Amino acid sequence: EIVLTQSPDFQSVTPKEKVTITCRASQSIGSSLHWYQQKPDQSPKLLIRYASQSISGVPSRFSGSGSGTDFTLTINSLDAEDAAAYFCYQSYSLPYTFGQGTKLEIK
Amino acid sequence: EVQLVQSGAEVKKPGESLKISCIGSGFTFSNYWIGWVRQMAGKGLEWMGIVYPGDSEITYSPSFQGQVIISADKSINTAYLQWNSLKASDTAMYYCMRSVAGSTIDYWGQGSLVTVSS
Repeated sequence: EIVLTQSPDFQSVTPKEKVTITCRASQSIGSSLHWYQQKPDQSPKLLIRYASQSISGVPSRFSGSGSGTDFTLTINSLDAEDAAAYFCYQSYSLPYTFGQGTKLEIK
Repeated sequence: EVQLVQSGAEVKKPGESLKISCIGSGFTFSNYWIGWVRQMAGKGLEWMGIVYPGDSEITYSPSFQGQVIISADKSINTAYLQWNSLKASDTAMYYCMRSVAGSTIDYWGQGSLVTVSS
């Protein structure tokens, strides 16, 4: 089973700040890494697919990069509505797995 | 419009059985993987397993193998998650989701809250 490790677990940030969340895979997964945002009491929402592909309707301040074992989600100019938990997810090999999550708090 | 609509909240006692459902609409149910994700209160997302309704192929996470049963009935576009003997530690929100093999989860159900308490 592929283990995904995110860092940090928690971050408190101010609006307009740039945020970087990393996700490291226990083995190479190519680009089969996707990012999700989950706001309180909501189902998760797809932000980025295949490491760096943007999703229609998702603000352009969200971007992704990486391949192999190391991946990054970047939020440029953080908005108050970005307060949420962020999860990476691998679809390279079964069983598919999630990272443990990163909770973003807006100061 | 693609939709996954899950059954409602359940309150059960330890040892009881339960089957929750997820009805898909707006897409060809047999052509997609339908899976289940657990989220315990205040915790992260745990991938439990998936079923391909077209041929009922199922893959479980090792963490959930033997603990739950995943199934689907393509004739009524419905996937199921079942427990034969619930434990207090099964208390959680359960999400169904749609996935293309080897790809993203692109749609989620609204979640079914399962509470197990004596």
